[in-house]
Amino acid sequence: EPEVTQTPSHQVTQMGQEVILRCVPISNHLYFYWYRQILGQKVEFLVSFYNNEISEKSEIFDDQFSVERPDGSNFTLKIRSTKLEDSAMYFCASSEALPSGSFTDTQYFGPGTRLTVL
Amino acid sequence: EDQVTQSPEALRLQEGESSSLNCSYTVSGLRGLFWYRQDPGKGPEFLFTLYSAGEEKEKERLKATLTKKESFLHITAPKPEDSATYLCAVHPREVTFGTGTKLQVIP
Repeated sequence: EPEVTQTPSHQVTQMGQEVILRCVPISNHLYFYWYRQILGQKVEFLVSFYNNEISEKSEIFDDQFSVERPDGSNFTLKIRSTKLEDSAMYFCASSEALPSGSFTDTQYFGPGTRLTVL
Repeated sequence: EDQVTQSPEALRLQEGESSSLNCSYTVSGLRGLFWYRQDPGKGPEFLFTLYSAGEEKEKERLKATLTKKESFLHITAPKPEDSATYLCAVHPREVTFGTGTKLQVIP
């Protein structure tokens, strides 16, 4: 069964460093997402991406963050100058349906990358 | 502001003891309501999508229902492997998750 994969599973970085989290969405999916989950808190939407551009983004997704689809299979989240409060699980998700303006179809999540900022 | 509230926060059931989890929502224009299961240290696993009031979906021991204000996830005769955190999420514009109900099923 196709699944979303993410690498690395755990990333440790020093405050102020840049990190890139990688995701391989399900191959025939067109819509991609990043979420984060701070330990013990709820899953929070960061950004959605379609047709090589950001579709929607939350208040959390500020200039510190950027997303890219560098090739036909990978989808990345870059965090510039990491802060302690960026420590969280970061989940990538993908969905098949087009954002036709009415709804977005079911999102399938990857296993996550645990980011620890020291 | 879009809000999703799940109750109870935690639920402890004996194996075979049926129960329901609640998800109340306030959104401007619901596009879809999702139920996910999340095991510790893992990503949410899709269970159901509901689109309109009155809709019901079933999968094994789980049944999800939807009204205009809330959704229920009914668990019939649960087994220990059903122990997980169950998340409700709504999609008006961006997907908004609730805090989840942590379910523990005791053999």
